[in-house]
Amino acid sequence: DVKVTQSSRYLVKRTGEKVFLECVQDMDHENMFWYRQDPGLGLRLIYFSYDVKMKEKGDIPEGYSVSREKKERFSLILESASTNQTSMYLCASSLQVYQPQHFGDGTRLSIL
Amino acid sequence: AQKVTQAQTEISVVEKEDVTLDCVYETRDTTYYLFWYKQPPSGELVFLIRRNSFDEQNEISGRYSWNFQKSTSSFNFTITASQVVDSAVYFCALIDYGNKLVFGAGTILRVKS
Repeated sequence: DVKVTQSSRYLVKRTGEKVFLECVQDMDHENMFWYRQDPGLGLRLIYFSYDVKMKEKGDIPEGYSVSREKKERFSLILESASTNQTSMYLCASSLQVYQPQHFGDGTRLSIL
Repeated sequence: AQKVTQAQTEISVVEKEDVTLDCVYETRDTTYYLFWYKQPPSGELVFLIRRNSFDEQNEISGRYSWNFQKSTSSFNFTITASQVVDSAVYFCALIDYGNKLVFGAGTILRVKS
């Protein structure tokens, strides 16, 4: 069974802080994704990666960056957290682009 | 650009009722894939089904069934004899040549006992 693990279920940070959200998958998947989920908006893609050290912008990359130094780990970085980044963040992985994505439990991030 | 519309924001039914969740999509590509995911209160999205654009056969899996109609660009999901455990947010999603999975806004399903 595919396991996608996000480092925290709940996180509270202050405005201006640099925030790291970590995601690890155990199935040797090539592709990894970061989404944010907001009520009424569904899931929106922030960044994705098709390979180690490779990244592509999604639909809402502003204010975020990512890092993929190892195949199994994909980190989302909020360079200077702002209150409008309060949201649920979901990490996912897939073996190939058209195959189902497997999701972690999500991190509910609050920026005060 | 591709788009997925789930017009039903929230649906409430009583246990054992049948319920259909609507999904309408837009894409310019002839090759694409459609998905349904379930998000229970615990938060993790669970994959339910994938359908490619060349396979219009309807599918049934237990109490779940899916109706894919290219003529109306719809991929609707029906739960027969709903149960309380079906209460969740359900997302329809599409991926096409752009290689990005695009989600609808989701439909909240509440099944009351």
